[in-house]
Amino acid sequence: DTEVTQTPKHLVMGMTNKKSLKCEQHMGHRAMYWYKQKAKKPPELMFVYSYEKLSINESVPSRFSPECPNSSLLNLHLHALQPEDSALYLCASSQGQGIKTEAFFGQGTRLTVV
Amino acid sequence: AQSVTQLGSHVSVSEGALVLLRCNYSSSVPPYLFWYVQYPNQGLQLLLKYTTGATLVKGINGFEAEFKKSETSFHLTKPSAHMSDAAEYFCAVSGALISNFGNEKLTFGTGTRLTIIP
Repeated sequence: DTEVTQTPKHLVMGMTNKKSLKCEQHMGHRAMYWYKQKAKKPPELMFVYSYEKLSINESVPSRFSPECPNSSLLNLHLHALQPEDSALYLCASSQGQGIKTEAFFGQGTRLTVV
Repeated sequence: AQSVTQLGSHVSVSEGALVLLRCNYSSSVPPYLFWYVQYPNQGLQLLLKYTTGATLVKGINGFEAEFKKSETSFHLTKPSAHMSDAAEYFCAVSGALISNFGNEKLTFGTGTRLTIIP
């Protein structure tokens, strides 16, 4: 199994809603990532978890809250988002802690904030 | 510090023609280089990577890339374009450590949209 599975594929939420994005991998990877991708732009790193601990937060606003319940799961909790947060949110994982070992990306969650 | 420059945000080639997508990088440490492909409304799929060793790297779907240190380049090629190659292509570089856990930052270029003309 070389897949990273993200749910849901599409999400529409209001600015007062609370929702969560989910990511799952069963490759035994110990590093997991959240990226944000705006239209016609490259992915931008948001968070990195290494061995289930948050190792990098790229100055992401607190309305985005990551969580890593176990080595296979990564969540992104969303609260009080703004319309400009609408984007494709990508999860990725890699063996060990170095992304040079190859990152596997999920299909993404297309988020629309209304 | 590391960065990636992809020359040409949009490239069009005829079906059956050579595909050449350009990527130049800058890195203060020995770089690891990647090409990813993204189809509409999809995630990123790794085409190929260079870490160490042979500088000509072969990937999936008939693509290959050559690491040229002297030119700081990692251009992507395919001898004969197919309609299914139409997608967005991202070159990326990693190597610079960004955490005490040993995480490395993966820096993407701005992408090149490849269009195939029938």
